[in-house]
Amino acid sequence: QITLKESGPTLVKPTQTLTLTCTFSGFSLSSYAVGVGWIRQPPGKALEWLALIYWNDDNHFNPSLSSRLTITKDTPRNQVVLTMTNMDPMDTATYYCTHLGGWLSDYWGQGTPVTVSS
Amino acid sequence: EIVLTQSPGTLSLSPGQRATLSCRASQSVGNNYLSWYQQKPGQAPRLLVYNAYNRATGIPDRFSGSGSGTDFTLTISRLEPEDFAVYYCHQHARSPLTFGQGTKVEIK
Repeated sequence: QITLKESGPTLVKPTQTLTLTCTFSGFSLSSYAVGVGWIRQPPGKALEWLALIYWNDDNHFNPSLSSRLTITKDTPRNQVVLTMTNMDPMDTATYYCTHLGGWLSDYWGQGTPVTVSS
Repeated sequence: EIVLTQSPGTLSLSPGQRATLSCRASQSVGNNYLSWYQQKPGQAPRLLVYNAYNRATGIPDRFSGSGSGTDFTLTISRLEPEDFAVYYCHQHARSPLTFGQGTKVEIK
């Protein structure tokens, strides 16, 4: 059974760096073609893809945010970490991590809300 | 970037009626890697259909996907009370991955 759970701060100040951790079970990032992605959703708005990382360290970023994003994996601990620098109130959203089959997000975490405010 | 445009924005229907949701892509979606998600308030999206017409595990057969290239459709044959939600299409053919803006299916 695949499960994912996001963790991190619920409140960050403008210009700070956000660090989110996705802890998962039921699969391994050492397995071929397995990946983890991040997607966010501002309140009342649509979904926005952020980044993904694969078992072989291949990664991709949303070009509109790529200069602010870093994604890393800790395979033994079954974790993926997303960092986003220079946070702005416009980054207020629920952040989801997902299991990737190919590039398809087939399993989702429950999401973690992040508010950016001074 | 492949832009996905969903229509209508809101669909007002009664239980038992048929719902037809559209997703149009600005460019052809390679391998028809187009999926549909359902999202209810306060919940994460749930995968309904992938690769245009394949139902995900555990999804009732009243949900069906169709289409290819740039035009895709999600059909709910007979709406159940639990089907009133927001639906998103998503292309996973090419980076950057993109989502449509959503269609809300509401009770009339």
